[in-house]
Amino acid sequence: QQQVKQSPQSLIVQKGGISIINCAYENTAFDYFPWYQQFPGKGPALLIAIRPDVSEKKEGRFTISFNKSAKQFSLHIMDSQPGDSATYFCAARKTGTASKLTFGTGTRLQVTL
Amino acid sequence: DTEVTQTPKHLVMGMTNKKSLKCEQHMGHRAMYWYKQKAKKPPELMFVYSYEKLSINESVPSRFSPECPNSSLLNLHLHALQPEDSALYLCASSHPPGTTTYEQYFGPGTRLTVT
Repeated sequence: QQQVKQSPQSLIVQKGGISIINCAYENTAFDYFPWYQQFPGKGPALLIAIRPDVSEKKEGRFTISFNKSAKQFSLHIMDSQPGDSATYFCAARKTGTASKLTFGTGTRLQVTL
Repeated sequence: DTEVTQTPKHLVMGMTNKKSLKCEQHMGHRAMYWYKQKAKKPPELMFVYSYEKLSINESVPSRFSPECPNSSLLNLHLHALQPEDSALYLCASSHPPGTTTYEQYFGPGTRLTVT
């Protein structure tokens, strides 16, 4: 049973546009929601993360929006650049576990010129 | 410094070989992880070490044997692997459970090909 659903599977955005990736979860025991960026052949890099007591967190061009009642969170990439082209994974951690992350299925983002 | 290093970068091994993957971190983290990642899929957790003790084994076949010699090092010993074990093997580290920081940092991975 997949516990974190991620959409879309792939996304094409023009340079300067806004990229939006969505994730939804069912388990209310999740208490930490990170986003990872992965380039081909590389390990995932922690991009930004949020906890459920905050509705939005912004770091540079990257923003997480969190809707606790809807059990949804999303990543917004403002002013998308070709260098942002990568696969993005959302994840969630359950309270009390040994930092075990449940990952979404990933979104392949392509930013065109 | 949020660096996790892994060696080797690439490994090709036959089904009868024995090899080891190595991971190192110097962030003072006391939890370390092995993940397996197939192409176009998210990482799948294999093992978790917390304070140098194995705390999670996600029902991984015994041909994969983890080892945590000290708080900075994590090894994955491989023996009698199958072609379907070919994947990117990722190491990660974080502060252990019970702390207030949850960030988990990944290494660059070892690309393993089993022939």
